[in-house]
Amino acid sequence: EVQLVESGGGLVQPGSPLKLSCAASGFTFSSNWLNWIRQAPGKGLEWVASINPDGSSTYYPDTVKGRFVVSKDNAKNTGYLQMNNLRSEDTAMYYCARTSSFDYWGQGVMVTVSS
Amino acid sequence: DIVLTQAPLSVSVTPGESASISCRSSKSLLSSKGITSLYWYLQRPGKSPQLLIYQMSNLASGVPDRFSSSGSETDFTLKISKVETEDVGVYYCGHRLEYPLTFGSGTKLEIK
Repeated sequence: EVQLVESGGGLVQPGSPLKLSCAASGFTFSSNWLNWIRQAPGKGLEWVASINPDGSSTYYPDTVKGRFVVSKDNAKNTGYLQMNNLRSEDTAMYYCARTSSFDYWGQGVMVTVSS
Repeated sequence: DIVLTQAPLSVSVTPGESASISCRSSKSLLSSKGITSLYWYLQRPGKSPQLLIYQMSNLASGVPDRFSSSGSETDFTLKISKVETEDVGVYYCGHRLEYPLTFGSGTKLEIK
């Protein structure tokens, strides 16, 4: 059974860093793209980052480029989202999702940026 | 950036009847490989989104065949036949043609 489990969320102050993890199981993690999508409270879906199977290529929207870094450790079957210089507008539920189709999603982890 | 415009904002359906949701793209979603890069997702209340349809018209694994999707290069329709109470939630279209990846703003389906 494919499973993605996010962790690492919480309440942080503006300007702080935070690192999210996405633990994968039930499939060959090293052969799949990994993506991060977020959803602000009461809002729609926003793509945040993507990384290719071997981790050699990463993609971001302008809203997080230069502040967020996506990575994956294929030996540990785990993906990461390092978020730096967090802003109040980064407050959201963060989901990791598999493949370019986003065919499986994790349960999400909440990140709140507030002073 | 590609803008996806969904309509209506919300739809209320009697169980057993059909519902249609529209998604219009600001750019053709037909890739150079001949694949139409349009996807549909359902987010049930309090749950994570799930994939319903990939590459415009292909049903994702485990999705009932009451769901179907069709369209052109820029205009797409998700149809739900014989709506059931479990279909309640917000439906999103999304594309994978190029970066940045974007989603429509969502259509809320409610049961009458």
